[in-house]
Amino acid sequence: AQSVTQLDSQVPVFEEAPVELRCNYSSSVSVYLFWYVQYPNQGLQLLLKYLSGSTLVESINGFEAEFNKSQTSFHLRKPSVHISDTAEYFCAVTPRGAGGTSYGKLTFGQGTILTVHP
Amino acid sequence: DVKVTQSSRYLVKRTGEKVFLECVQDMDHENMFWYRQDPGLGLRLIYFSYDVKMKEKGDIPEGYSVSREKKERFSLILESASTNQTSMYLCASSWTGRAGGYTFGSGTRLTVV
Repeated sequence: AQSVTQLDSQVPVFEEAPVELRCNYSSSVSVYLFWYVQYPNQGLQLLLKYLSGSTLVESINGFEAEFNKSQTSFHLRKPSVHISDTAEYFCAVTPRGAGGTSYGKLTFGQGTILTVHP
Repeated sequence: DVKVTQSSRYLVKRTGEKVFLECVQDMDHENMFWYRQDPGLGLRLIYFSYDVKMKEKGDIPEGYSVSREKKERFSLILESASTNQTSMYLCASSWTGRAGGYTFGSGTRLTVV
């Protein structure tokens, strides 16, 4: 079984400041890792994912996350946030399937509410 | 783009009523999922289905059932709604054999009074 812990339930920051949202996971097998974002009154959208290869992955809107296998972490960072980044962010994992593919269910963390102040 | 459509954004039901939440996806995904989302608890899996007429319990199936008669449609049923089932319900779908994650619907906010 897998578990995901997001270490901060709420993160307030000022606009243009850097931010880090922390995610740790526990699993007895190798996993794929994801970050999802949920804007107010909407469903979740995939922000970025780590499947294999480079441990640093990036999104199109300036977020990045680094997979650290030894620390079982997948922290999300952005060097300069905007008001529009205000949302709830979820870290999630799923076990790697046979042949390196995944079809299994995602296990989510509790979510981190990022609030960007002007 | 894949679309996952949940039939209602907001629902208000009375205690004891039978409630149906509908979810339809248009990209031939094999897998479909129902989660509930509560503040501080994240998303918890209720049921999922990996094929037509196939279903498996998630982490919190008590008080719920599901139906998947067609590949594109996955229904969540509350047999006798209770106030502790007031929550946001999210449907998602995905392909088998591809590590792309889920596509989510917009959610249904259910209030049981």
